[in-house]
Amino acid sequence: DGGITQSPKYLFRKEGQNVTLSCEQNLNHDAMYWYRQDPGQGLRLIYYSQIVNDFQKGDIAEGYSVSREKKESFPLTVTSAQKNPTAFYLCASSISAGYTGELFFGEGSRLTVL
Amino acid sequence: ELKVEQNPLFLSMQEGKNYTIYCNYSTTSDRLYWYRQDPGKSLESLFVLLSNGAVKQEGRLMASLDTKARLSTLHITAAVHDLSATYFCAGWRDDKIIFGKGTRLHILP
Repeated sequence: DGGITQSPKYLFRKEGQNVTLSCEQNLNHDAMYWYRQDPGQGLRLIYYSQIVNDFQKGDIAEGYSVSREKKESFPLTVTSAQKNPTAFYLCASSISAGYTGELFFGEGSRLTVL
Repeated sequence: ELKVEQNPLFLSMQEGKNYTIYCNYSTTSDRLYWYRQDPGKSLESLFVLLSNGAVKQEGRLMASLDTKARLSTLHITAAVHDLSATYFCAGWRDDKIIFGKGTRLHILP
């Protein structure tokens, strides 16, 4: 089945540690995105990538880093510089920005900082 | 910079009633999206609206787009409990999809 796989589903981190969230898609989509959702809030864009080896900052990129070495993979690292990392993280992909741009989402990763 | 505002942010309604969720956006957006999110879950795509005057319907939900007014609406007809969820609209600009804060819909039996 085609889709977007995020792992881990739940993650606990101590303050000062970096963590990496995995996002893999087998939809052959060009574009991939990372969003953060806080309780009762909308989604805020962290990073996005339209093609391999290229990515752009979204609205809240500080304290996060990404890579796009393969078309199907777009991992997100939450660094110790992120002041308040506890949140629900959603990865999404779309065929390309030039098409309808409709996003397809993974199941999300819930990060809790202890 | 594109900003997307939804209202209301919370809506409690009786089964069988009709209601409309409004989505205003601040600058030109070539596309408008509606998504549904159930508690603790990810987002599910409902509608993609690509042009002025676009109208799409799926079951009891109907979405429309007025690009001149920078307004999209999601109309719920004869609500049923299964439609209880949070609904997000999102606009597209400069390769970014920007979401509103969502409308939390609670339908009472």
